Amino acid sequence: AQSVAQPEDQVNVAEGNPLTVKCTYSVSGNPYLFWYVQYPNRGLQFLLKYITGDNLVKGSYGFEAEFNKSQTSFHLKKPSALVSDSALYFCAVRDFTSGTYKYIFGTGTRLKVLA
Amino acid sequence: DGGITQSPKYLFRKEGQNVTLSCEQNLNHDAMYWYRQDPGQGLRLIYYSQIVNDFQKGDIAEGYSVSREKKESFPLTVTSAQKNPTAFYLCACSGTYDTGELFFGEGSRLTVL
Repeated sequence: AQSVAQPEDQVNVAEGNPLTVKCTYSVSGNPYLFWYVQYPNRGLQFLLKYITGDNLVKGSYGFEAEFNKSQTSFHLKKPSALVSDSALYFCAVRDFTSGTYKYIFGTGTRLKVLA
Repeated sequence: DGGITQSPKYLFRKEGQNVTLSCEQNLNHDAMYWYRQDPGQGLRLIYYSQIVNDFQKGDIAEGYSVSREKKESFPLTVTSAQKNPTAFYLCACSGTYDTGELFFGEGSRLTVL
């Protein structure tokens, strides 16, 4: 079965420092991978996706993610963190093994950017 | 503006009552999804629908029901059979046959008193 894992419940980083939020996946076939962000009591907002092509994907708000097939990872990165980046981040994979499209989410990583 | 709308934002219910959460989209997307979010558990799929008049159970469908009579609407009913219904419920939609991402509503928080 397709799955994603986010090994860190929380990541703390100082403002201005680079940040990384980790995601690993397990899929059969070529993965369709996504990152979303959630602010308190809000829905999820799409940040970026990897379908095919360049392993470095650029997304919204200065975020990017690196797809690594050999390590089955899709880590989210940002060169310089802002306090306003503090939120809950979800990695997701699109699953088609049942003949219909489903999206499977990780458990989320809470990012805290400290001023 | 195109988007996906959930209502109500907050809902309180007594034990033993059924409640229905509304989800409407005007993005012309075929596929719609309901997720439940609990602290520390991420998003869990309740039901999903790829096309009008058809839907499938997700991982935690027990105690829930849905209908898909119109393309733009996918209401979720939380029945009295759902043992622990207090949660944050998220509706989403996507284009079925493209590589598209999910678009989410703002969520509905259900509290059982």
